[in-house]
Amino acid sequence: LAKTTQPISMDSYEGQEVNITCSHNNIATNDYITWYQQFPSQGPRFIIQGYKTKVTNEVASLFIPADRKSSTLSLPRVSLSDTAVYYCLVGGGTSNQAGTALIFGKGTTLSVSS
Amino acid sequence: DSGVTQTPKHLITATGQRVTLRCSPRSGDLSVYWYQQSLDQGLQFLIQYYNGEERAKGNILERFSAQQFPDLHSELNLSSLELGDSALYFCASRRGLAGGPDEQFFGPGTRLTVL
Repeated sequence: LAKTTQPISMDSYEGQEVNITCSHNNIATNDYITWYQQFPSQGPRFIIQGYKTKVTNEVASLFIPADRKSSTLSLPRVSLSDTAVYYCLVGGGTSNQAGTALIFGKGTTLSVSS
Repeated sequence: DSGVTQTPKHLITATGQRVTLRCSPRSGDLSVYWYQQSLDQGLQFLIQYYNGEERAKGNILERFSAQQFPDLHSELNLSSLELGDSALYFCASRRGLAGGPDEQFFGPGTRLTVL
């Protein structure tokens, strides 16, 4: 699976937009880009997944440039409850009916202050 | 609530002992994954089962084993426990269908403390 690089930590204030960029230079043609969120002592939670261009859901947006060597998770108007670790993962996709394991890196610890 | 349940929530045991962690996936999910999260290693994939059969192995020690039963619940067995096995153990499940977001649903975890 492609290795990912993301900032170790980020700080923000309530109400601001937060953008977390992830580099994945060795992404393969059939790899998807997925982001998970994890609060302390809880299991990771799926945020968003995309293959190319832009994906938006009720929680976040995911921007993927044409070369797919990086991606940016955008969290609009963060609140204190968005303080968590955010993981960028590359691989998998839905072509494999059984699914593939998730390979987690260190993640980005986002701290939101008032 | 992800729909994935894990028991027990906490487990405290001594070195050399054996424990069994249990996971019930979301209704209808065929794939079950086990992950270990420790402070120094982060989240690591251990093993995957799909519809009762072992599908993939990650960094799982020989002292650890798992199985998925016909009702799709899964158990992770940890034996000859060492202090370094203290960690959070997560189970995740996935529907197993192609198409749509490839999302895994994680349980609340079992916190294992080996003394």
